[in-house]
Amino acid sequence: GAVVSQHPSWVICKSGTSVKIECRSLDFQATTMFWYRQFPKQSLMLMATSNEGSKATYEQGVEKDKFLINHASLTLSTLTVTSAHPEDSSFYICSAPQREGRTAYNEQFFGPGTRLTVL
Amino acid sequence: AQSVTQLGSHVSVSEGALVLLRCNYSSSVPPYLFWYVQYPNQGLQLLLKYTSAATLVKGINGFEAEFKKSETSFHLTKPSAHMSDAAEYFCAVGSGNTPLVFGKGTRLSVIA
Repeated sequence: GAVVSQHPSWVICKSGTSVKIECRSLDFQATTMFWYRQFPKQSLMLMATSNEGSKATYEQGVEKDKFLINHASLTLSTLTVTSAHPEDSSFYICSAPQREGRTAYNEQFFGPGTRLTVL
Repeated sequence: AQSVTQLGSHVSVSEGALVLLRCNYSSSVPPYLFWYVQYPNQGLQLLLKYTSAATLVKGINGFEAEFKKSETSFHLTKPSAHMSDAAEYFCAVGSGNTPLVFGKGTRLSVIA
């Protein structure tokens, strides 16, 4: 199947700094990518939808000025956590859909996740 | 709108016993349904998926699930639990190019 990578896999930063997380589709093009956040012992919650060449759409309650998303190419979306605080510590996971053959079905391929710890 | 309810946040079974993890969904359109497994500090691994073909879906590691429209269910089963099955399991629903909606997860413990 298709592969989605994330970089870095883990990051520790000081409070107030910004952190960039990359999500890449390695062997397919993705005009759309999704960013999820998972707090410890909780489920994945959709943060935003990243659209190539246009603005991201954010879920209710997600601060767009704090979580900057840039989808500059068909294989790369970045999530920047600006002025990070300890409450932003979480597991961030991206996914990208790829159409399966000639069907209308698009399978989601998930990245391995990025664990962010803000001190 | 779509949603998923996983019944039981924690399920404990003996090694060799049947595993049954329950998932009910709500969807206003024909759903695609998924089961993922997540081991500690790791990403998601797709176990199996239902995409409107056969209602009984077989996945990896001996897991299978049956789509029952009349019951709006997609329960995950495995005939014989193995210690390595201990993990967090997530049921998810989607409709194609939209993001998946995940259930809250069920932690499976396997007792020797």
